[in-house]
Amino acid sequence: AQSVTQLGSHVSVSEGALVLLRCNYSSSVPPYLFWYVQYPNQGLQLLLKYTSAATLVKGINGFEAEFKKSETSFHLTKPSAHMSDAAEYFCAVRTNAGGTSYGKLTFGQGTILTVHP
Amino acid sequence: EPEVTQTPSHQVTQMGQEVILRCVPISNHLYFYWYRQILGQKVEFLVSFYNNEISEKSEIFDDQFSVERPDGSNFTLKIRSTKLEDSAMYFCASTMTGGLVETQYFGPGTRLLVL
Repeated sequence: AQSVTQLGSHVSVSEGALVLLRCNYSSSVPPYLFWYVQYPNQGLQLLLKYTSAATLVKGINGFEAEFKKSETSFHLTKPSAHMSDAAEYFCAVRTNAGGTSYGKLTFGQGTILTVHP
Repeated sequence: EPEVTQTPSHQVTQMGQEVILRCVPISNHLYFYWYRQILGQKVEFLVSFYNNEISEKSEIFDDQFSVERPDGSNFTLKIRSTKLEDSAMYFCASTMTGGLVETQYFGPGTRLLVL
């Protein structure tokens, strides 16, 4: 079975500081990995996704994530935090385990990012 | 930009009552999903739907739950007899295809409170 663990339910950074949100996955088959962001009162919005084309994936709003198979990780980073980055971030995995390709996502528990002035 | 919409944004109901949560997926999408998030817990998959039938469901999606695409635009989740533990945020999502690399587009959610 596939699963995702996000280390740290809350992360707090200063404006301009590095953002690092951690995600580790467990999967017996090659995974496809996603980061979503949720702003207050809005739906989940895709930030970026890993589809095996490249291990370093760039997304919207200056975020990027690196797929490291040896560490089973897909951490999300941004060099310089902005106040508008304050939101909840979700890592998710999707595999073809069991033969299904209907694409359900398995989510981590989410990380709330707070950005201080 | 096309988006998934959900109504209502909030719903309060009494235990044992039926509720219907409504979603309008993106118009040319063919695969539809429901997820839920109980407060403080993970977003959990409930069901996927394609070609007018359920393609996959989780163990959460028992006989109390049903989904329907009653017309060409709406996708609904019905809970027949709500329980306190059904209180959660319910998200609808859609994709054009069921491919593993496809982006699922999510609606803003319906917050259901069962009293």
